[in-house]
Amino acid sequence: ILNVEQSPQSLHVQEGDSTNFTCSFPSSNFYALHWYRWETAKSPEALFVMTLNGDEKKKGRISATLNTKEGYSYLYIKGSQPEDSATYLCAFWEDSNYQLIWGAGTKLIIKP
Amino acid sequence: DGGITQSPKYLFRKEGQNVTLSCEQNLNHDAMYWYRQDPGQGLRLIYYSQIVNDFQKGDIAEGYSVSREKKESFPLTVTSAQKNPTAFYLCASSMGLENEKLFFGSGTQLSVL
Repeated sequence: ILNVEQSPQSLHVQEGDSTNFTCSFPSSNFYALHWYRWETAKSPEALFVMTLNGDEKKKGRISATLNTKEGYSYLYIKGSQPEDSATYLCAFWEDSNYQLIWGAGTKLIIKP
Repeated sequence: DGGITQSPKYLFRKEGQNVTLSCEQNLNHDAMYWYRQDPGQGLRLIYYSQIVNDFQKGDIAEGYSVSREKKESFPLTVTSAQKNPTAFYLCASSMGLENEKLFFGSGTQLSVL
């Protein structure tokens, strides 16, 4: 059974602090790794789709890295702001399964 | 504005009743998906469709049915055979499968009366 683990489950961060969290996935048959942000009462929104080992992607204060050999990706948020409060989801596209396998998410709460 | 529209936002089902959740997209995407979310779990795939008049079962298709008669539309029917239908349902679309990002609707919360 393919499993995607996200840690921590939830995280409280002071406004202005930087933070990061992890997505772990099976290292075999890797095809792509997705990150999404899901704000309360809104639709999930794509942040990054990463396909190559060593990939680093950046969008404003948010960046992500990918290690396909050991099966993990980190999401970093620099200088957290209240609008960063959301659940961050990662999903792994496994080559033979032909669908995205989703983690349960990391819920980020920014304290003013 | 292009996007995905799901309706209704909230839906209540009586015992033995079939209910249909609507999903419409105007993004000209080929692929569409239905996911179910339960508390504390990752999204689970119910059905997906890569092209009009074709769809494939996901991991939890039992008790659900879909159709894809038009590119823009991918309705999901929750049948009376689905014994635990209470969940949050998300529809999504993408240009293709694999490494294409998904665009999501705002979801439907289904509850059993």
